[in-house]
Amino acid sequence: DGGITQSPKYLFRKEGQNVTLSCEQNLNHDAMYWYRQDPGQGLRLIYYSQIVNDFQKGDIAEGYSVSREKKESFPLTVTSAQKNPTAFYLCASSRRTVESNQPQHFGDGTRLSIL
Amino acid sequence: GENVEQHPSTLSVQEGDSAVIKCTYSDSASNYFPWYKQELGKGPQLIIDIRSNVGEKKDQRIAVTLNKTAKHFSLHITETQPEDSAVYFCAASRSGTASKLTFGTGTRLQVTL
Repeated sequence: DGGITQSPKYLFRKEGQNVTLSCEQNLNHDAMYWYRQDPGQGLRLIYYSQIVNDFQKGDIAEGYSVSREKKESFPLTVTSAQKNPTAFYLCASSRRTVESNQPQHFGDGTRLSIL
Repeated sequence: GENVEQHPSTLSVQEGDSAVIKCTYSDSASNYFPWYKQELGKGPQLIIDIRSNVGEKKDQRIAVTLNKTAKHFSLHITETQPEDSAVYFCAASRSGTASKLTFGTGTRLQVTL
């Protein structure tokens, strides 16, 4: 079955440490997205990519970095510059069209906690 | 930028009753409005969406209505069942923005027996 796989499901970070969250999709989607979810809040966009080797900052990109070397993969690195990284991180993908927006499909998330 | 407000934040209904969740948006150019259901520990799942060229869309027990003039849209769930218990999110986006979504803050729906 096609879908989006996020790993690991739970991740712990020490102070001053960078960690990388994995997101892989086999839906043949061009566009991929990273969101952060905090308790009682909606999802907030961190980074997005419409095509391989290209990505743009979302609303809360500070302290995060991404790469898009393959169509199927869009890893997110939470750097030590992100002072409040504890959150639930969600990856999504969609088809890419110019004329209309396409539904986004989500993975099951990675929960990041600080030790 | 776009701002989406969602109400209520929590909603409790008895099994078999209807549930209504409402969202308002600020950007009059927004033209795509999806609704997602999120169960505990899972990612959001798209349950229904509507584009601005229609006023209502229905899929079995779920319907969404859109009022472009008032800039609000609503999710209606009829004959609620315990498995409908989850957090529901509305979102909005406009064409030409790489399908970027702005989400509401969510509604926790509890269906009681």
